[in-house]
Amino acid sequence: DAKTTQPNSMESNEEEPVHLPCNHSTISGTDYIHWYRQLPSQGPEYVIHGLTSNVNNRMASLAIAEDRKSSTLILHRATLRDAAVYYCILRDLGSQGNLIFGKGTKLSVKP
Amino acid sequence: SAVISQKPSRDICQRGTSLTIQCQVDSQVTMMFWYRQQPGQSLTLIATANQGSEATYESGFVIDKFPISRPNLTFSTLTVSNMSPEDSSIYLCSVDPTFHRTSSVGYTFGSGTRLTVV
Repeated sequence: DAKTTQPNSMESNEEEPVHLPCNHSTISGTDYIHWYRQLPSQGPEYVIHGLTSNVNNRMASLAIAEDRKSSTLILHRATLRDAAVYYCILRDLGSQGNLIFGKGTKLSVKP
Repeated sequence: SAVISQKPSRDICQRGTSLTIQCQVDSQVTMMFWYRQQPGQSLTLIATANQGSEATYESGFVIDKFPISRPNLTFSTLTVSNMSPEDSSIYLCSVDPTFHRTSSVGYTFGSGTRLTVV
């Protein structure tokens, strides 16, 4: 699976939008872009995924660049409960199927 | 989505002993994965467990140290054998919830087993 690059940490204020970037310049045409988050003392939790088009769900939005070499996870209104490590992961359907985790971005939310 | 029950949630073990971690899923899944998360680190894949075949181990992990069972489509175990303090980590199981892998969906993770070896 192709590698991704994320900032080590980011800070946000409560109730403000958060844009978490991810670079994946070597993405292949069959790689899906997955985002997971891990709250303290919990297992990772699926957030959202997409292939080419922007995606929205109840948790977040995923904006994918036209060339697919980068993407941004958008939390529309950060809450204190959104403080977590966010992982951007590429997954190829044709591969073994496992998820390879990078270091992720540790998001801190200030009241 | 699939719901995972992982047991035990934590344990403190003596060095040289073994611990078996169980992962029970509420639906049939084709692929199950075991990860290790050392303190302050990201997740590292240990192995992939498919029902009816031997587990596939990642580089740096061997079957003698981390034997895995996958007796059916809803259950798997990971054993940490002959433990040393370096094995102190959180161990997590994960599943691809699609029975037929025809599209990409979100994976589900167990809550983890926090292992301390003394």
